[in-house]
Amino acid sequence: EDQVTQSPEALRLQEGESSSLNCSYTVSGLRGLFWYRQDPGKGPEFLFTLYSAGEEKEKERLKATLTKKESFLHITAPKPEDSATYLCAVNYGGSQGNLIFGKGTKLSVKP
Amino acid sequence: NAGVTQTPKFQVLKTGQSMTLQCAQDMNHEYMSWYRQDPGMGLRLIHYSVGAGITDQGEVPNGYNVSRSTTEDFPLRLLSAAPSQTSVYFCASSQQSSRNQPQHFGDGTRLSIL
Repeated sequence: EDQVTQSPEALRLQEGESSSLNCSYTVSGLRGLFWYRQDPGKGPEFLFTLYSAGEEKEKERLKATLTKKESFLHITAPKPEDSATYLCAVNYGGSQGNLIFGKGTKLSVKP
Repeated sequence: NAGVTQTPKFQVLKTGQSMTLQCAQDMNHEYMSWYRQDPGMGLRLIHYSVGAGITDQGEVPNGYNVSRSTTEDFPLRLLSAAPSQTSVYFCASSQQSSRNQPQHFGDGTRLSIL
């Protein structure tokens, strides 16, 4: 069964305290892994796409990496405005656009 | 830039009522989809479309209908609302290409069924 598991469910950090979020997946024939950020009351906002093991993408304080079984979202020196729920999604079967989502990691960064 | 627009933002229905959730995108994207988001669960795919006139079922299609008469619009219909359909509904769109392209989401419709 295709699955996406994110950990931890919630993460509390002090401003400047770096950490990583994990997304493990069991999907045959990965066609893309996506990271999104979701703020309360809003839709998911696209962050990164990763297509193959070894690939890395960076944006400001965020860096996403991909292996054959999991992806990490590294957050370096986070700020309070990085507080959000981070969602991981992978393509599964059928149409190339269909995604299976993890339940997300809720990140809180305290000043 | 409008992107993906969903209306209404909030709606309360009684069991058995019908309604249509609207979704429009102005990016000329071929692919459009509907997801629902429930507490403690990931977003789940309801229906999707790879182009005008083409629709297909996702993971949780029961109780929902869709149509795609234009590239821009992809409405979701609840024919007879049930309390189990209380959820937040998101519409998304993306380009079709040989590599998966990121989906762009609207800000959702929060639906309560009493």
